[in-house]
Amino acid sequence: GEQVEQRPPHLSVREGDSAVIICTYTDPNSYYFFWYKQEPGAGLQLLMKVFSSTEINEGQGFTVLLNKKDKQLSLNLTAAHPGDSAVYFCAVRGHYAQGLTFGLGTRVSVFP
Amino acid sequence: DAAVTQKPRYLIKMKGQEAEMKCIPEKGHTAVFWYQQKQSKELKFLIYFQNQQPLDQIDMVKERFSAVCPSSSLCSLGIRTCEAEDSALYLCSSRPGHPSYEQYFGPGTRLTVL
Repeated sequence: GEQVEQRPPHLSVREGDSAVIICTYTDPNSYYFFWYKQEPGAGLQLLMKVFSSTEINEGQGFTVLLNKKDKQLSLNLTAAHPGDSAVYFCAVRGHYAQGLTFGLGTRVSVFP
Repeated sequence: DAAVTQKPRYLIKMKGQEAEMKCIPEKGHTAVFWYQQKQSKELKFLIYFQNQQPLDQIDMVKERFSAVCPSSSLCSLGIRTCEAEDSALYLCSSRPGHPSYEQYFGPGTRLTVL
């Protein structure tokens, strides 16, 4: 089945700087991709979704890029602020699956 | 915002006891999912319901769990005999009918097995 590798596991970012989280998946037939944010003690908050090879800029201070050729999904935090401190998960839905396959998460800490 | 509700938020059981947790999916959503998250990291898919029918589940659920959606507004996940390895955050999500739509997650039930 689908496998998703997410890196880095930890990220320290100075306030105002940018950072990138990358996920690599294995199933070339996957075509639904998501980014979720999890704050301490909370469930998952949908951050972004992408269904085609395109660059999407949604929400505040995030850019998502999907590269189907290399089977990579990336989340770019631009101008990080303290509210961005959380664990970020990428999630992929394979062609034949209904459930999502998640990466192991990236813990982002934004410091002043 | 999506409003998937889960109860209880915290559950403590002794090894060997039965556990049950509930999920109220967002109104109008026809698909419900359960995931298990250990150590605030890895999320594992457990089971998927479409229109209250279980359509996909992993072997562990078949062997040790019980999951039902008796109505479109209530689902439950149970563990017949709790083991220490079952300690985790159990997340429920729901999704509208179209398969491309995103899943919205509840806050989870944190189960601790002593």
